[in-house]
Amino acid sequence: RKEVEQDPGPFNVPEGATVAFNCTYSNSASQSFFWYRQDCRKEPKLLMSVYSSGNEDGRFTAQLNRASQYISLLIRDSKLSDSATYLCVVRGFKTIFGAGTRLFVKA
Amino acid sequence: SAVISQKPSRDICQRGTSLTIQCQVDSQVTMMFWYRQQPGQSLTLIATANQGSEATYESGFVIDKFPISRPNLTFSTLTVSNMSPEDSSIYLCSVERQGANSGNTIYFGEGSWLTVV
Repeated sequence: RKEVEQDPGPFNVPEGATVAFNCTYSNSASQSFFWYRQDCRKEPKLLMSVYSSGNEDGRFTAQLNRASQYISLLIRDSKLSDSATYLCVVRGFKTIFGAGTRLFVKA
Repeated sequence: SAVISQKPSRDICQRGTSLTIQCQVDSQVTMMFWYRQQPGQSLTLIATANQGSEATYESGFVIDKFPISRPNLTFSTLTVSNMSPEDSSIYLCSVERQGANSGNTIYFGEGSWLTVV
């Protein structure tokens, strides 16, 4: 089992749709969780941290479920500009990146 | 946030040659990190570059293949030696900065896109 696993994707959604990504992790001692966005041929950039209580930033909502060892990212009212690869990052003793989920938002 | 400059941004290299990638950070940091992202894959940590000591390499990466320098607290280089097509990848420099609530956040340079022919 991989240490961090993400939905395989790609997700193809129309503008305005709501889309959700999940990410599971195997190390129960993991302490910090993040979602990064990576555009084609660009470096990953922090989208948002994931807090135990869940957090929201505009159209984006991130949640953490420690009991089931997964985090999620919800994107509401998808925009064309949301098309990218979304990377789940889990930090404990080591920092592990998920393989990413590709999202395509179409007009 | 952090401002991290990498160069070259991209290069096409002949197999058997070596390429050195430079990374400059806008402020002093204790540790700098070098990652590789092969096509369609996620990021893999190559090594941690510490100022004043040898780099710490992850499993599967060795100093002879990926020598690293860290002459001061704002600069590091990664060399990809004796390149083969399997080394074609994005190489990313990164640093960590204290976040507001959830520990350190990782910031990346723009990446160096390397193609070996």
